Amino acid sequence: AQRVTQPEKLLSVFKGAPVELKCNYSYSGSPELFWYVQYSRQRLQLLLRHISRESIKGFTADLNKGETSFHLKKPFAQEEDSAMYYCALASGGSYIPTFGRGTSLIVHP
Amino acid sequence: GAGVSQSPSNKVTEKGKDVELRCDPISGHTALYWYRQSLGQGLEFLIYFQGNSAPDKSGLPSDRFSAERTGGSVSTLTIQRTQQEDSAVYLCASSQGPGQPQHFGDGTRLSIL
Repeated sequence: AQRVTQPEKLLSVFKGAPVELKCNYSYSGSPELFWYVQYSRQRLQLLLRHISRESIKGFTADLNKGETSFHLKKPFAQEEDSAMYYCALASGGSYIPTFGRGTSLIVHP
Repeated sequence: GAGVSQSPSNKVTEKGKDVELRCDPISGHTALYWYRQSLGQGLEFLIYFQGNSAPDKSGLPSDRFSAERTGGSVSTLTIQRTQQEDSAVYLCASSQGPGQPQHFGDGTRLSIL
């Protein structure tokens, strides 16, 4: 069975500080991994996916198969980054994603 | 073009009543998903439709829950004999296909009195 773990329910940092939102997954095959973000009063939206290998809004995430992790990182957090972040795993024939419970990021001025 | 549209945005009903939630996916998206989002619980998968294939209902919590997708487009999620524990935000998402990024609607906030 596939599983996604986001160990932190809440992450609080100051503006300009580095931020890392942790995501660990459990799956024996080749995963498709995503980060979704939900800003206050907005709908859940895709932030980035691992196969794109791109940086969105300054965020990057690298798939580490050895550690089965897909941590989301940003070197300098901004207040507008405050949001709920969900890590998701899609794999297998059905491609039904499994979501982590989410991490609430608060960036203080 | 328009994104995923859900209606109603809010629904308050009495325990024991039936409710019907609607989702209009993005045109051309073959995959459609329903999730339930409860406070502190993340996203709970409910049901998945892909093209004309039989839906994957493995996430439905009880037989009071059912969903249809007509003509490969609009979907309705029906909850019969609602219970207080059904109170949550129900999210719909669509994607171009399995494994592709999902586009979410704003959700329906369901409150059972």
